[in-house]
Amino acid sequence: EVQVVESGGGLVQPGGSLRLSCVASGFSFSNYWMSWVRQVPGKGLEWVANTNQDGNEKYYVDSIKGRFTISRDNAKNSLYLQLNSLRAEDTAMYYCARDRSALDYWGQGTLVTVSS
Amino acid sequence: DIQMTQSPSSLSASVGDRITITCRASQSINNFLNWYQQKPGKAPKLLIYSVSSLQSGVPSRFSGSGSGTGFTLTISSLQPEDSATYYCLQSYITPKTFGQGTKVEIK
Repeated sequence: EVQVVESGGGLVQPGGSLRLSCVASGFSFSNYWMSWVRQVPGKGLEWVANTNQDGNEKYYVDSIKGRFTISRDNAKNSLYLQLNSLRAEDTAMYYCARDRSALDYWGQGTLVTVSS
Repeated sequence: DIQMTQSPSSLSASVGDRITITCRASQSINNFLNWYQQKPGKAPKLLIYSVSSLQSGVPSRFSGSGSGTGFTLTISSLQPEDSATYYCLQSYITPKTFGQGTKVEIK
């Protein structure tokens, strides 16, 4: 069974940092692109970033460029999102998803709250 | 960036009704159009990929069609468990972009 499980969210002050993790199982992780998507509570979905199979291609939405970094460790079947210089508007549920062009398997998300 | 515009933003229909949700792209996205269902407190679930391909395990009452810039999601016979918000996603050009969502309620 394909599963992805996110962790690492929490409450952080504006300007702070967090590292989100996503552990995948049930498929050959190193063969797939992976994405992060976020959702402000009560609002719509926003694709944030993705990376290719070996992590040497990375793409970001403009609103987080220079602040967030996506990475992966195929030996650990893990995807990461480093969040720096956090702002109140980054408050959201962050989802990890397998990226086959369509995002076909999603985790349950990890909530990031940016507040003083 | 490609803008995705969904309509309507919400609808209310009865069990057994046929409903259609439309998604329009600001430029051609070929067949890179996908549909998702999201229930409150849950992650989005892929229903349809590449315009009209049904994801494994999704009931056949869901179908997708369209081409170029205009796409539709149809539920042929609405069921109580279909109450949810539906999103389209273009995956043709990075950044991937979602429609704003359509909330479907059961009368």
